[in-house]
Amino acid sequence: AQKVTQAQTEISVVEKEDVTLDCVYETRDTTYYLFWYKQPPSGELVFLIRRNSFDEQNEISGRYSWNFQKSTSSFNFTITASQVVDSAVYFCALKVGANSKLTFGKGITLSVRP
Amino acid sequence: EPEVTQTPSHQVTQMGQEVILRCVPISNHLYFYWYRQILGQKVEFLVSFYNNEISEKSEIFDDQFSVERPDGSNFTLKIRSTKLEDSAMYFCASRAGTGVWAYEQYFGPGTRLTVT
Repeated sequence: AQKVTQAQTEISVVEKEDVTLDCVYETRDTTYYLFWYKQPPSGELVFLIRRNSFDEQNEISGRYSWNFQKSTSSFNFTITASQVVDSAVYFCALKVGANSKLTFGKGITLSVRP
Repeated sequence: EPEVTQTPSHQVTQMGQEVILRCVPISNHLYFYWYRQILGQKVEFLVSFYNNEISEKSEIFDDQFSVERPDGSNFTLKIRSTKLEDSAMYFCASRAGTGVWAYEQYFGPGTRLTVT
């Protein structure tokens, strides 16, 4: 069975601070996909990024960066120079196989104070 | 930019009533999903649908639930006899199935269901 653990529940930072959101996953499959979704106060789920298990290349996209480490089963997400608009709940999710469901973590509530 | 739409945005119903939640997936997508999120909790998978049949369902998706794609555009979730514990945000999602973006599930804005 698949499992996603987001040990942090709430994080509060001051604007312009960097913040890292942790995600640890469990699966026995060798092919899997990892995702981060953002849920702003309005409630919708916004897709941020996908990583495949066979692609450990980390990426930076603007103020966002991701660190995928298969050795520790972690897929962490960093926001650089946080802004108030980054305040949201962030979910890490795992999918095994091309067609299957997403298994979500419990989410991390990020509050960015001005 | 194409997006998944859901109606209504908020549905209030009495316990025991039937509700139908509607979704219009992105037009060229092939895989469809329903998830739910009880207030303050994580998002949980309910069911996936492909080629006009259910491909996977969770323990939550019991006989009270059903899904249908009645035409080429809509994808519906029906709850036959609602219970208080069905109160949640219900998200529809769709996925292309082919191409570079084949693996991303794109979510609709959700329908908040309140059972009284």
